[in-house]
Amino acid sequence: GENVEQHPSTLSVQEGDSAVIKCTYSDSASNYFPWYKQELGKGPQLIIDIRSNVGEKKDQRIAVTLNKTAKHFSLHITETQPEDSAVYFCAASGGSYIPTFGRGTSLIVHP
Amino acid sequence: DVKVTQSSRYLVKRTGEKVFLECVQDMDHENMFWYRQDPGLGLRLIYFSYDVKMKEKGDIPEGYSVSREKKERFSLILESASTNQTSMYLCASSKPILTGVNSPLHFGNGTRLTVT
Repeated sequence: GENVEQHPSTLSVQEGDSAVIKCTYSDSASNYFPWYKQELGKGPQLIIDIRSNVGEKKDQRIAVTLNKTAKHFSLHITETQPEDSAVYFCAASGGSYIPTFGRGTSLIVHP
Repeated sequence: DVKVTQSSRYLVKRTGEKVFLECVQDMDHENMFWYRQDPGLGLRLIYFSYDVKMKEKGDIPEGYSVSREKKERFSLILESASTNQTSMYLCASSKPILTGVNSPLHFGNGTRLTVT
């Protein structure tokens, strides 16, 4: 089955800095890679996703890149703000529609 | 906007009790999921369902069962609650796969269950 590794488990940055979270996956059949943000007391919410026919996708301060050859994908957040503080999960799915999640990254943005 | 509603935010139960966690979604999604979330372990899939009365085991089904009598409702049942089932439980739903195109999950806000 699919295995998704996510790093780092904790990331601490100063407001205005960039943050990068990286994930690797094992199943070459995976073709959909969503990223979820979980704020305190809430369930994870989709913030951006990318499909295997695309190498990069941007949405304002958030971008995701995908390297199919190396089987890794990354979340980039620029100009971080305190409200970006949350737990972020990557996921991968493909042949099975059941996503496999990474273990999460706790992002702390210091004002 | 999709809304996934979990009936309880916090629940405290005693060891051995039968516990029901309820989840309702309002977007006519075929797929529904139950996850548990524990620090350092991420999201682990307990059970999922791709249609009414259909259910499939996930990665950690032991000690749990599920019920899907109506499309919008997916219940998680702890037959005899134990302290190691103290956790955050998350319900999610998604559209069905269409010709190989996956869809994102929509999560509820979770039920924090404590078993004493």
